[in-house]
Amino acid sequence: QQPVQSPQAVILREGEDAVINCSSSKALYSVHWYRQKHGEAPVFLMILLKGGEQKGHDKISASFNEKKQQSSLYLTASQLSYSGTYFCGTEIGGGADGLTFGKGTHLIIQP
Amino acid sequence: DAGVIQSPRHEVTEMGQEVTLRCKPISGHDYLFWYRQTMMRGLELLIYFNNNVPIDDSGMPEDRFSAKMPNASFSTLKIQPSEPRDSAVYFCASSQPRTGETQYFGPGTRLLVL
Repeated sequence: QQPVQSPQAVILREGEDAVINCSSSKALYSVHWYRQKHGEAPVFLMILLKGGEQKGHDKISASFNEKKQQSSLYLTASQLSYSGTYFCGTEIGGGADGLTFGKGTHLIIQP
Repeated sequence: DAGVIQSPRHEVTEMGQEVTLRCKPISGHDYLFWYRQTMMRGLELLIYFNNNVPIDDSGMPEDRFSAKMPNASFSTLKIQPSEPRDSAVYFCASSQPRTGETQYFGPGTRLLVL
């Protein structure tokens, strides 16, 4: 089952914050977040394992709510370089399974 | 360390022709994944290997698609015969054999079937 991402698209001014959500109808083992720029490969941002952990990386952080099977990606004080499409990839099993990706959230940062 | 390497980066072919895409995973990564990305269907898992053995090929769309991994440093995805609806970007990704490790994507092969 494909995870559901919301919103589908976001337009922000530089310096504003954004939240991208990823929900699954199945119990998840892990959630992987990627950013993809046009014409390029997805680039790994962070991974969250079940257990409700929260991670941070510079001004980008994420959380995983195991009860709700939902992960959220937080972008704080957005920069122009944050523009792109954000994907969550979900994993159900505990091993290195293939990821099931959401349809993506398009993020546009304007100066 | 070099990342995942894919070739060719671009491929234009005519319907009915055979297409072979190649991938070299990151050294030491025991898992290799093939994904396809289209506007309509997004990123889809086609097949993945563990220690050169295919584990799950349920995402392979048709018998026209086949994938092999003859050794730890090389994999191919073959389409024979190709059709226009196969036009997409094909990504190869690899990961280490540990729980909680993410997958690192190659640059992709842009395939256009005329």
